[in-house]
Amino acid sequence: DAKTTQPPSMDCAEGRAANLPCNHSTISGNEYVYWYRQIHSQGPQYIIHGLKNNETNEMASLIITEDRKSSTLILPHATLRDTAVYYCIVRDFNDYKLSFGAGTTVTVRA
Amino acid sequence: SAVISQKPSRDICQRGTSLTIQCQVDSQVTMMFWYRQQPGQSLTLIATANQGSEATYESGFVIDKFPISRPNLTFSTLTVSNMSPEDSSIYLCSVGAREGRETQYFGPGTRLLVL
Repeated sequence: DAKTTQPPSMDCAEGRAANLPCNHSTISGNEYVYWYRQIHSQGPQYIIHGLKNNETNEMASLIITEDRKSSTLILPHATLRDTAVYYCIVRDFNDYKLSFGAGTTVTVRA
Repeated sequence: SAVISQKPSRDICQRGTSLTIQCQVDSQVTMMFWYRQQPGQSLTLIATANQGSEATYESGFVIDKFPISRPNLTFSTLTVSNMSPEDSSIYLCSVGAREGRETQYFGPGTRLLVL
């Protein structure tokens, strides 16, 4: 049973920010939000994760709503190489398992 | 992050045969996992490879079909036994790395086609 809901696809323009939404309305207090992406024919790549505070690293920013029922992954300046399937995953801190849903297919267009 | 390699990167096999996939990590890791990604689908966890003990399999996966070895903290193998065309998939290993909290990093995958 999926713990997250993501739009199946979205387009964005090269050089613009890409905002990827994720709903996780049943998230519990000890569950983290993880984001991975999978570029065609490659293994998934870890992007970022967070519990309740906003997080930023060299790849992206993660904004989690105060009630933690949804989050947004932000790619600040999308490039053609960011075209991939993006997975939002809710993971219990005490359970290492990652349950991948269908993800969002992001296409960055020139 | 860990550097993970898999061998072979791809293979074409005949039904009824078996293929062993290797996963090598450049550092010692506690957790190693094997996933399957069927064509056009998302990833599904097959099992956790435990060092020094039997692997822990997820529902729907059995040791006879997917035997796993984990002889040390940097290496694991997954065998796909008695293959059928339905086993055509990408097989990926991942490792758990503690960076504040456990984060998994994935290998490049092994693309298997069974004829």
